[in-house]
Amino acid sequence: RKEVEQDPGPFNVPEGATVAFNCTYSNSASQSFFWYRQDCRKEPKLLMSVYSSGNEDGRFTAQLNRASQYISLLIRDSKLSDSATYLCVVNMANFGNEKLTFGTGTRLTIIP
Amino acid sequence: EAQVTQNPRYLITVTGKKLTVTCSQNMNHEYMSWYRQDPGLGLRQIYYSMNVEVTDKGDVPEGYKVSRKEKRNFPLILESPSPNQTSLYFCASSLMGTEYKTRTGELFFGEGSRLTVL
Repeated sequence: RKEVEQDPGPFNVPEGATVAFNCTYSNSASQSFFWYRQDCRKEPKLLMSVYSSGNEDGRFTAQLNRASQYISLLIRDSKLSDSATYLCVVNMANFGNEKLTFGTGTRLTIIP
Repeated sequence: EAQVTQNPRYLITVTGKKLTVTCSQNMNHEYMSWYRQDPGLGLRQIYYSMNVEVTDKGDVPEGYKVSRKEKRNFPLILESPSPNQTSLYFCASSLMGTEYKTRTGELFFGEGSRLTVL
């Protein structure tokens, strides 16, 4: 089983719709979680951290379910500019052995 | 401007010809790391460094070397490149490191280096 698993998509979604992605992780000791965004042929950039209580940043909502070991990302009122690949990232913080593990990404295309 | 700079951005080389991809960051970050990205496999960590003179293997270290003689620089060395090292390489840095309270998980990536080994 992969350490971090995502549905690769592609998700083709009409502009204005709501779309949600899930990501599962295998290591229950994982301590922090993030969503990164990667545009085509560009470097990944942090979209948002994922907190235990869930958090929102404008149209984006991230949630964590430790019991089921998954995190989610919800995008409301999607824009054309949201088209990108979304990477789920898990950090199993262990003093002296810090490491972020990336999912393979979910590709999203917003259709006009 | 805070940034991570990689060079070269694009390189075509031949099997066995040693090459170095440089990486430099101006944010005084302790943690630096190299990743390769391949279709269907995502980002995989090659090597990482928690601080100067401290480096360790990631998931796919075979065929690569690194050094961390200065805080700002973290070059990736391919002593004898082979075609299976054709990939998109990213260098990244972060505040993650020995100071637990400053860990944010935010990695700052360079723009990537696309390497082709013939």
